[in-house]
Amino acid sequence: DAKTTQPNSMESNEEEPVHLPCNHSTISGTDYIHWYRQLPSQGPEYVIHGLTSNVNNRMASLAIAEDRKSSTLILHRATLRDAAVYYCAHYRSNYGGSQGNLIFGKGTKLSVKP
Amino acid sequence: NAGVTQTPKFQVLKTGQSMTLQCAQDMNHEYMSWYRQDPGMGLRLIHYSVGAGITDQGEVPNGYNVSRSTTEDFPLRLLSAAPSQTSVYFCASSYWGTGGLGYTFGSGTRLTVV
Repeated sequence: DAKTTQPNSMESNEEEPVHLPCNHSTISGTDYIHWYRQLPSQGPEYVIHGLTSNVNNRMASLAIAEDRKSSTLILHRATLRDAAVYYCAHYRSNYGGSQGNLIFGKGTKLSVKP
Repeated sequence: NAGVTQTPKFQVLKTGQSMTLQCAQDMNHEYMSWYRQDPGMGLRLIHYSVGAGITDQGEVPNGYNVSRSTTEDFPLRLLSAAPSQTSVYFCASSYWGTGGLGYTFGSGTRLTVV
């Protein structure tokens, strides 16, 4: 089974960029890469996802390695509100590829220092 | 727009008791799922459903039952609670689509089995 591995914790300074890594060395060719974040006492919140190309949205950027064995979530300017646990997940397709399930890593706890 | 609503938020059960965790979504999502979150383990998939009348097992289904009689509701039943089922439970939903179009999570149910 494909699994994702992430560092347990990372620290960042406020207003600096943050690069959160994820290894998914056994990901299959059709699995999408997702990122979610979880604030204390809340459910996970969708951040971004992609397949092969780098992706940008209002929250973050996702950089996917050419061999797809790793990805990096980029927060361009960390704020104190970005302190959370960030989960990398792969979307395992089934039902002929039309639907699947998210399989999560164990997450990285991001601390942001003022 | 309520999104995904989980009830109750907290519950204490005695070993051997049964209960149902409720999950409802108002976004007309075809896909719904249940995850459990334990310290150091990330989020693990229990059961999922791709539409009314269709359910399937995830990574850790033992001790849990589900049914999906309507698009909106996806209850999780514990038939005979055990201390190992002490956890935080999250329900999630999404549209049916390749790649996973971003899951919406509820705020969770914190269950303690004594």
